[in-house]
Amino acid sequence: GDSVTQMEGPVTLSEEAFLTINCTYTATGYPSLFWYVQYPGEGLQLLLKATKADDKGSNKGFEATYRKETTSFHLEKGSVQVSDSAVYFCALIIQGGSEKLVFGKGTKLTVNP
Amino acid sequence: EAGVVQSPRYKIIEKKQPVAFWCNPISGHNTLYWYLQNLGQGPEVLIRYENEEAVDDSQLPKDRFSAERLKGVDSTLKIQPAELGDSAVYLCASSLNLANNEQFFGPGTRLTVL
Repeated sequence: GDSVTQMEGPVTLSEEAFLTINCTYTATGYPSLFWYVQYPGEGLQLLLKATKADDKGSNKGFEATYRKETTSFHLEKGSVQVSDSAVYFCALIIQGGSEKLVFGKGTKLTVNP
Repeated sequence: EAGVVQSPRYKIIEKKQPVAFWCNPISGHNTLYWYLQNLGQGPEVLIRYENEEAVDDSQLPKDRFSAERLKGVDSTLKIQPAELGDSAVYLCASSLNLANNEQFFGPGTRLTVL
């Protein structure tokens, strides 16, 4: 079946550090890939997405590139801020398939000043 | 534009009691989802509606869970009777339609069953 595996947390960084959160997937079809973010006390928000191989999604300084050859969609940010502290979820959806978002378990990021 | 609205935000009940959660999706969004999020896990879809039709409820435990979206707008998810293991966050999400797969999530209802 379809699944997403992402880096176990929690991750703790100092402000301005480089961030990578690894995400790999297994899919029965051709997926679209997403990163969602959940700030404390808030709902999930779409951070970025990519719908085909080699696409790069970007938003708020975060980037992720759809790598079909390695079935990966790693999230990166060059310089994190305290306000980036949240839980990050990698997810996929198979168009024309189950039409369900399949999420990873989430990675909690804490950025200290 | 208002986002997805859910109520209540928090609910504490004793086991074997019934409970209901309400969701109002973004105006004009035809597709509505209910998700279950256990602590430390990612959300898992329970049911998907296209307008008023439940097109995929394969993950909904039908012995105790039910859902409805009678007029194709807001939706209610019910548990009767609740069990200790139902303690979780119940999320509602909506999207414009299947072709537009960006889902917008509500803040969720945190259920605690004692």
